[in-house]
Amino acid sequence: GESVGLHLPTLSVQEGDNSIINCAYSNSASDYFIWYKQESGKGPQFIIDIRSNMDKRQGQRVTVLLNKTVKHLSLQIAATQPGDSAVYFCAENNRGGGKLIFGQGTELSVKP
Amino acid sequence: DTAVSQTPKYLVTQMGNDKSIKCEQNLGHDTMYWYKQDSKKFLKIMFSYNNKELIINETVPNRFSPKSPDKAHLNLHINSLELGDSAVYFCASSQPGHRGYTFGSGTRLTVV
Repeated sequence: GESVGLHLPTLSVQEGDNSIINCAYSNSASDYFIWYKQESGKGPQFIIDIRSNMDKRQGQRVTVLLNKTVKHLSLQIAATQPGDSAVYFCAENNRGGGKLIFGQGTELSVKP
Repeated sequence: DTAVSQTPKYLVTQMGNDKSIKCEQNLGHDTMYWYKQDSKKFLKIMFSYNNKELIINETVPNRFSPKSPDKAHLNLHINSLELGDSAVYFCASSQPGHRGYTFGSGTRLTVV
């Protein structure tokens, strides 16, 4: 069935370094992708989104890259901070599906 | 003001009991959702309501019954609770034309 998966379940980085979190999706019909951040005890929080007619989108310290050829999505976090420690999810949506499908999640730990 | 609020935050109950989780959103969104997050952090959609009408009903046991008295509220009633129902349940909402969701902070259900 449809699925969105992540390559690595955990990622540990040093404070100040850049982080890259990867995601693979399988539904070619997906045309909208979102990255969510979930801190302990909280619900997923929107970080950044990208539509399939784009291959890159930048936010504040975050960049999302989309490679439709290999169905790959990545989230880059610049100058990672302790407050970035959380579980990160990619999610996909398509106009016909009407629902957001989440990947497995990557737990990011930032070492001071 | 909390945009999507769920009650209770924690719920511990015995097998066989019936319980309800409530959700309210003050964002004026038309669509509301219930997601289940398992122990591996995987998020899976259960139900979706659009303006009080059920539009998505994933393969969920019929012990789970959502109810939407108005478009700002979506409650989840669970009959005959089982150990496997233990999870964190998230309510979410979205607005027409925007496919990103706003999530509540979750209800941790523990069935003993």
